[in-house]
Amino acid sequence: NAGVTQTPKFQVLKTGQSMTLQCAQDMNHNSMYWYRQDPGMGLRLIYYSASEGTTDKGEVPNGYNVSRLNKREFSLRLESAAPSQTSVYFCASSPINQPQHFGDGTRLSIL
Amino acid sequence: GQQLNQSPQSMFIQEGEDVSMNCTSSSIFNTWLWYKQDPGEGPVLLIALYKAGELTSNGRLTAQFGITRKDSFLNISASIPSDVGIYFCAGQMSGSARQLTFGSGTQLTVLP
Repeated sequence: NAGVTQTPKFQVLKTGQSMTLQCAQDMNHNSMYWYRQDPGMGLRLIYYSASEGTTDKGEVPNGYNVSRLNKREFSLRLESAAPSQTSVYFCASSPINQPQHFGDGTRLSIL
Repeated sequence: GQQLNQSPQSMFIQEGEDVSMNCTSSSIFNTWLWYKQDPGEGPVLLIALYKAGELTSNGRLTAQFGITRKDSFLNISASIPSDVGIYFCAGQMSGSARQLTFGSGTQLTVLP
């Protein structure tokens, strides 16, 4: 019952370092999403992939890039990390027109 | 971006009490979702609503999709300690390619 698996669970970076957050789902879902969650706020969409081979910007895409590697995997990359990107990052997936299922998050701190 | 107003921000209740929280939006949504998040975990779907006026239950939880399509509420009856957590509403607009807009959450504490 893996569902949506995110790695790593925790990471500390220095300003300017690069990092790729990994996400994989085993539910054969078409759509995948990356969100960030900051204290006192709801989740905000960074990027999403409606289907394999497509990606689109969400509400807060600046400073991030994504790759939909195959149907199972959707990665999020920070090319030059900034302190403002300290957050908890959640990956989610969904079948077409169905609710999203979330992973347990990656807690990222940038010093 | 879109804004969802979720209230209250936090609640402290006695075990056994009923709880009500709601979300309102200036925009029309065609889907409302309610999620619960426990510490250190991702949000878990509680209830999904797809039609204006729809009232749906999941055990002790009941949620309604407002007639105007701009609001939704979640009720929890006879609260128990494991109800502790953060509850989020989320709305999806028509034609938004499945993008969700989340409320800021309601932190629920259940006192013994």
